[in-house]
Amino acid sequence: GENVEQHPSTLSVQEGDSAVIKCTYSDSASNYFPWYKQELGKGPQLIIDIRSNVGEKKDQRIAVTLNKTAKHFSLHITETQPEDSAVYFCGVLTGGGNKLTFGTGTQLKVEL
Amino acid sequence: GAVVSQHPSRVICKSGTSVKIECRSLDFQATTMFWYRQFPKKSLMLMATSNEGSKATYEQGVEKDKFLINHASLTLSTLTVTSAHPEDSSFYICSASVPSEQYFGPGTRLTVT
Repeated sequence: GENVEQHPSTLSVQEGDSAVIKCTYSDSASNYFPWYKQELGKGPQLIIDIRSNVGEKKDQRIAVTLNKTAKHFSLHITETQPEDSAVYFCGVLTGGGNKLTFGTGTQLKVEL
Repeated sequence: GAVVSQHPSRVICKSGTSVKIECRSLDFQATTMFWYRQFPKKSLMLMATSNEGSKATYEQGVEKDKFLINHASLTLSTLTVTSAHPEDSSFYICSASVPSEQYFGPGTRLTVT
């Protein structure tokens, strides 16, 4: 089955700095890669996603890059704000299936 | 768009009783819904995949007779925790697939006393 690794597990940055979270996957047939933000006591919220036919996607301060050859993708958050503090999960959808495999999560803390 | 609701958001029940959690897709139809369980500071653990009009597919190690799933319509799936025990206390989250993108509900905090 799919194996997804996410790093780092915790990340602390100063407000205004950038944050980068990386996930690696094992199945080269994987074709959909979403990122979710989960605040305490709430369900995960889809913040950005990318498909295997695209190398980069950007939405305001958030971007995702995908390296299919190396089988890794990364979440980039620029100009971080305190409200960006949350747990972020990456997901991987393997071709032909409809189940997402999730990373182990990254606790992001943006300090003033 | 793509809003998923869950009800209740919190529930406390006594050991031995059953609890039903509802998951609704509010502005779209979802042929597939998923049920997850999440322990504190852990990732989401898939319990089962629910397809409208058919039996749910359970992940290995998940007791289908304990966690009853019904997906009667394209907008509603229910999870019933039967004969609940304190170890069933957890955060239960549903998601709806459209079709590859998954949108999550806000979660239900179950506490079994």
